[in-house]
Amino acid sequence: QSVLTQPPSVSAAPGQKVTISCSGSSSNIGNNYVSWYHQLPGTAPKLLIYDNNKRPSGIPDRFSGSKSGTSATLGITGLQTGDEADYYCGTWDSSLSTGVFGGGTKLTVL
Amino acid sequence: QLQLQESGPGLVKPSETLSLTCTVSGGSISGSSFYWGWIRQPPGKGLEWIGNIYWSGTTYNNPSLKSRVTISVDTSKDQFSLKLSSVTAADTAVYYCARTFLYTEKGEMAKIFFDHWGQGSLVTVSS
Repeated sequence: QSVLTQPPSVSAAPGQKVTISCSGSSSNIGNNYVSWYHQLPGTAPKLLIYDNNKRPSGIPDRFSGSKSGTSATLGITGLQTGDEADYYCGTWDSSLSTGVFGGGTKLTVL
Repeated sequence: QLQLQESGPGLVKPSETLSLTCTVSGGSISGSSFYWGWIRQPPGKGLEWIGNIYWSGTTYNNPSLKSRVTISVDTSKDQFSLKLSSVTAADTAVYYCARTFLYTEKGEMAKIFFDHWGQGSLVTVSS
């Protein structure tokens, strides 16, 4: 059971927009920064978003992050088949003194 | 550019110690403002944070694994290592090393993110 809760799967058509939610508590998302990763099959995760809404160099602006209260959201616009992957949110949990991840969301581009 | 590469045995017997090393190239561990860490992923499952180490030796470990985990650093070789003792089948996973930005100061918003990852090393625990 993950500390952060994500939907197991989401889907949308090419060119459309999708959002992936990540729900936590005041000890993690509510008072700390959130990051997002995507993981293509058989590869290592890759950082998409850090500090709630910042993109590392090379990540297109189709990817965006936001946070409100104890939840965070990853948005992806202009969906491409290459976006099909597992997506994970992560943050620090101040009560547990540990890094924590969501259980992951599988994105299917129909 | 910065690259990380895990190395170590792919098969470990139950009750023995899992040992992995991460070699950093294209950059130096010493004097870096980043931490260096380990994350694992059981087959078909999600990510689990194991722990991080700073070049000076300061460590943060997952409390659920803390008594079994040792993370060390060798700055002369730009390497850091993971040892996980008393392994069971539940420790079978792909183990990733990653450069980590980690900031935790009391009273301030903490942050942890992993911006460079190794390709991962599958470790199977089986007799």
